[in-house]
Amino acid sequence: GQQVMQIPQYQHVQEGEDFTTYCNSSTTLSNIQWYKQRPGGHPVFLIQLVKSGEVKKQKRLTFQFGEAKKNSSLHITATQTTDVGTYFCAVTSGAGSYQLTFGKGTKLSVIP
Amino acid sequence: DTEVTQTPKHLVMGMTNKKSLKCEQHMGHRAMYWYKQKAKKPPELMFVYSYEKLSINESVPSRFSPECPNSSLLNLHLHALQPEDSALYLCASSYWGVGIDEQFFGPGTRLTVL
Repeated sequence: GQQVMQIPQYQHVQEGEDFTTYCNSSTTLSNIQWYKQRPGGHPVFLIQLVKSGEVKKQKRLTFQFGEAKKNSSLHITATQTTDVGTYFCAVTSGAGSYQLTFGKGTKLSVIP
Repeated sequence: DTEVTQTPKHLVMGMTNKKSLKCEQHMGHRAMYWYKQKAKKPPELMFVYSYEKLSINESVPSRFSPECPNSSLLNLHLHALQPEDSALYLCASSYWGVGIDEQFFGPGTRLTVL
């Protein structure tokens, strides 16, 4: 399946600080999805990006898809303890594919 | 109902046992998935069913046998597993349209093979 690199692997922030995780691919992506998995929980869908240069916001979360559709980022403004968890990007092997490959994830810890 | 349910939540089995994992959704989704997730790792796709037919098998060993009895149910039959098969097994579902849509994950079955 499609490969995607996700960094950083871990991030510890003080509550109120910002957080960003990045996903990068060597090839052009059809789309990219983002999921959040709380400790002991299951992945929960956050967003899907499809268009080049797309930017979507969900409250304090901002998602971007690069112009070349080879990279994406998730930015959280003013983190809260409820943001704790592992954030995964996930990509398909091509348009019309149902094979979803997850990045290795970024584990976010928030220090109160 | 926007929920995917999985039973059991926990399962401990010996290497000679036969057991089954069950997954159910009532969202009208026609795509259903099995993933395996080891600790501190991302979910790895095992199988994809579309309209109750197996469409993707990611080279999974035959000791894992999926079954889709109807559009709402998905089973994973386990036989002669190895200790390294211990993991969280996640079921997911999505609409089956033109390309992938958001996937709804169940809470998972945490499997321990002794």
